[in-house]
Amino acid sequence: DMKVTQMPRYLIKRMGENVLLECGQDMSHETMYWYRQDPGLGLQLIYISYDVDSNSEGDIPKGYRVSRKKREHFSLILDSAKTNQTSVYFCASSFSSQNTLYFGAGTRLSVL
Amino acid sequence: TQTVSQSDAHVTVFEGDSVELRCNYSYGGSIYLSWYIQHHGHGLQFLLKYYSGNPVVQGVNGFEAEFSKSDSSFHLRKASVHWSDSAVYFCAVSGSNNRIFFGDGTQLVVKP
Repeated sequence: DMKVTQMPRYLIKRMGENVLLECGQDMSHETMYWYRQDPGLGLQLIYISYDVDSNSEGDIPKGYRVSRKKREHFSLILDSAKTNQTSVYFCASSFSSQNTLYFGAGTRLSVL
Repeated sequence: TQTVSQSDAHVTVFEGDSVELRCNYSYGGSIYLSWYIQHHGHGLQFLLKYYSGNPVVQGVNGFEAEFSKSDSSFHLRKASVHWSDSAVYFCAVSGSNNRIFFGDGTQLVVKP
């Protein structure tokens, strides 16, 4: 079954708390992505990972970091969350040569 | 600089109507062009993709898109829409480095 799984689906945090968003995929895809989606702004790329420990900044990396220690797992970390990081976060994966993304269902994060 | 422009933020049609959702891009070099659909509360799902060959590509559920190099466009069409086609549609462009850029999306509303 080809699937990208995100956990948790919903999360409420207070400003200054640390946040861990997790993403897994069962397709052995090399490339994984983290996007955030805000109303009227489409999808903004936060980080892209080309394989284990091979991560690159996207367009809006400030305030985020990532970890990829296994090919099937890609984490997004917010150290000391801010209210402007309230958003819906999507993880995606792809075979490097195909440029077709498979998305998870998203994590809705509220930072109060 | 890569850009993707979806000129219509909202499109409303009646069930059975035809629809065209517009996408224009700017990108240097070889590109992949894709369309994705997002139903409310879900992640994006791949619809179709163009890389080379026949400029008209067929996707799922009766969708097709036509690539035009002269117009820098990749418009999505469907001959007869169903209420279940109501969703947000995203055009995307990507190159050889797996960086994928999305437009801001077009909200399609299909009225009964």
